[in-house]
Amino acid sequence: ETGVTQTPRHLVMGMTNKKSLKCEQHLGHNAMYWYKQSAKKPLELMFVYNFKEQTENNSVPSRFSPECPNSSHLFLHLHTLQPEDSALYLCASSQWASGSQETQYFGPGTRLLVL
Amino acid sequence: KQEVTQIPAALSVPEGENLVLNCSFTDSAIYNLQWFRQDPGKGLTSLLLIQSSQREQTSGRLNASLDKSSGRSTLYIAASQPGDSATYLCALGGSEKLVFGKGTKLTVNP
Repeated sequence: ETGVTQTPRHLVMGMTNKKSLKCEQHLGHNAMYWYKQSAKKPLELMFVYNFKEQTENNSVPSRFSPECPNSSHLFLHLHTLQPEDSALYLCASSQWASGSQETQYFGPGTRLLVL
Repeated sequence: KQEVTQIPAALSVPEGENLVLNCSFTDSAIYNLQWFRQDPGKGLTSLLLIQSSQREQTSGRLNASLDKSSGRSTLYIAASQPGDSATYLCALGGSEKLVFGKGTKLTVNP
């Protein structure tokens, strides 16, 4: 495996379900990110982790709960989501958490549909 | 607050044509500007990164320019090919995070 991988690639869930998205990076990077890409909207940063510590929460609702057990893995736990949360969720990584100053490497994303 | 605008939202051209994609931004206090490519159902691939002190970057048939004073960047694609069909996103690297535009969806027709 190379680069940034995400599972599952597609997910359909009801509003009362609990599910988790997984991201793994094989690049030896120290920073990882969750982004949300909705139709007709720009990519939005959700969370930033640097050396397993959360350094940014971009006013994300608590129904999204991130977890970073180590520098290579990042999870996004989902519970009681709303239909407007349906989107493509992208994970990214970079060498350092000055992510705006260097290239970020993106995974293929998880397409989420909330019914 | 940084705002990024990409025009046009969609573009369709015949194969072989040279084309320009535009990106404008409101805050010139940036560290860099990046152009990404996104294929349908896939993540983003970084194409070019221009540091704030640079004016342009080139990679193969791609050339990106940056003019901070006017708040503009262009991505020039030479001799376009059907394989260039994708959505192209520009992103501004500020003090804290990347700010993305909505993208330009490019279709190159054979």
